[in-house]
Amino acid sequence: DAGVIQSPRHEVTEMGQEVTLRCKPISGHDYLFWYRQTMMRGLELLIYFNNNVPIDDSGMPEDRFSAKMPNASFSTLKIQPSEPRDSAVYFCASSRWTGTSYGYTFGSGTRLTVV
Amino acid sequence: QKEVEQNSGPLSVPEGAIASLNCTYSDRGSQSFFWYRQYSGKSPELIMFIYSNGDKEDGRFTAQLNKASQYVSLLIRDSQPSDSATYLCAVNIGNQFYFGTGTSLTVIP
Repeated sequence: DAGVIQSPRHEVTEMGQEVTLRCKPISGHDYLFWYRQTMMRGLELLIYFNNNVPIDDSGMPEDRFSAKMPNASFSTLKIQPSEPRDSAVYFCASSRWTGTSYGYTFGSGTRLTVV
Repeated sequence: QKEVEQNSGPLSVPEGAIASLNCTYSDRGSQSFFWYRQYSGKSPELIMFIYSNGDKEDGRFTAQLNKASQYVSLLIRDSQPSDSATYLCAVNIGNQFYFGTGTSLTVIP
């Protein structure tokens, strides 16, 4: 298995531009999570999906952030317009119930810099 | 109150010593407990999970869980410089994970 695949690995953009982050979860995993990590706040859950349906988006910081999961193998996180304070590493993770716990695997992350 | 609390450190131990990392959680409904290791610039990777009271050993790693005290710890025996990383404690409640902010560990050769 290739694991959770995220793209791009690095993104540098100017303030005000639209940014789209992409994620391909592990096949067979029915949960997908988007996290943001900064030194100050650690790992923050932004939104998660179950069977492609958004379940909890209470962590999305504001309306500039949106996420979609059109099918079981693809999800996007979009920021429009981007701001310097959005600079962070964004992780996608997927999981499934193993019988004793949720097997939870992170992608390699996208390092976003907004200048 | 945060769901998961960790001492941010940094924690420094000499090579060969035992490193002890601690974590407390607030929700008694927590079901499973995880330790992730994150090297600088990398994604978190799962190293241990535990869901029953007591100890669980895997190689040089031992996870300890005390549900009455809402406390979970990770012991690393014979610490190596390659163990230098940030260790994240996570708690599974329902189908969500709640992460602590992590403890930075440095193993000094």
